[in-house]
Amino acid sequence: QVQLVQSGAEVKKPGSSVKVSCKVSGGNFRSNGISWVRQAPGQGLEWMGEIFPLFGTANYAQKFQGRVAIIADELTTTAYMELSSLRSEDTAVYYCARDLCSTTSCQMFDNWGQGTLVTVSS
Amino acid sequence: EIVLTQSPGTLSLSPGERATLSCRASQSVSSYLAWYQQKPGQAPRLLIYDASNRATGIPARFSGSGSGTDFTLTISSLEPEDFAVYFCQQRSNWPLTFGGGTKVEIK
Repeated sequence: QVQLVQSGAEVKKPGSSVKVSCKVSGGNFRSNGISWVRQAPGQGLEWMGEIFPLFGTANYAQKFQGRVAIIADELTTTAYMELSSLRSEDTAVYYCARDLCSTTSCQMFDNWGQGTLVTVSS
Repeated sequence: EIVLTQSPGTLSLSPGERATLSCRASQSVSSYLAWYQQKPGQAPRLLIYDASNRATGIPARFSGSGSGTDFTLTISSLEPEDFAVYFCQQRSNWPLTFGGGTKVEIK
């Protein structure tokens, strides 16, 4: 049984950075992509980017290009998402989500972390 | 990017009734559409992938249909645990996008 467990809530100042972790247990960490999806309070879901541990490659939504970095640590089977130059509009719950497909990215997600609330406030 | 429009915004129904949720894409996404259920304070849960395939462990009362630009999620007979928000998501074009959601509430 695959489980994704994320790090705890964060409060950040505008202009700073936040790094959220996602520990994956069960399954084969290398074979499935991990995406990050955020949800502002009372709003819908927004995909930020993904990493494919098998290939070590990350892809980002254009909106976040240059401001987000997603990495995967195979030794600890943990994925990380770092978002920089934070502004109030980045206040949201950030989810990691595991790709349904193995060895290829099919961008459908059957396992999700519990979410991490990031609050950006002065 | 592809815009997904879900309707209605809110659906008020009673347990046992049939729920029909719509998702319309701004351009064709073929059959590359998924549906998720989200309850308050929880992460989304995959229900349907590639328009009509139920994910592992999803009850048969959930079904999906459609292709191209028009898709439907049907819940044949609402159970108390089905009252939640439902999102559609396309993976046909980069970047993947989600619809704004339909809330199914108890009437």
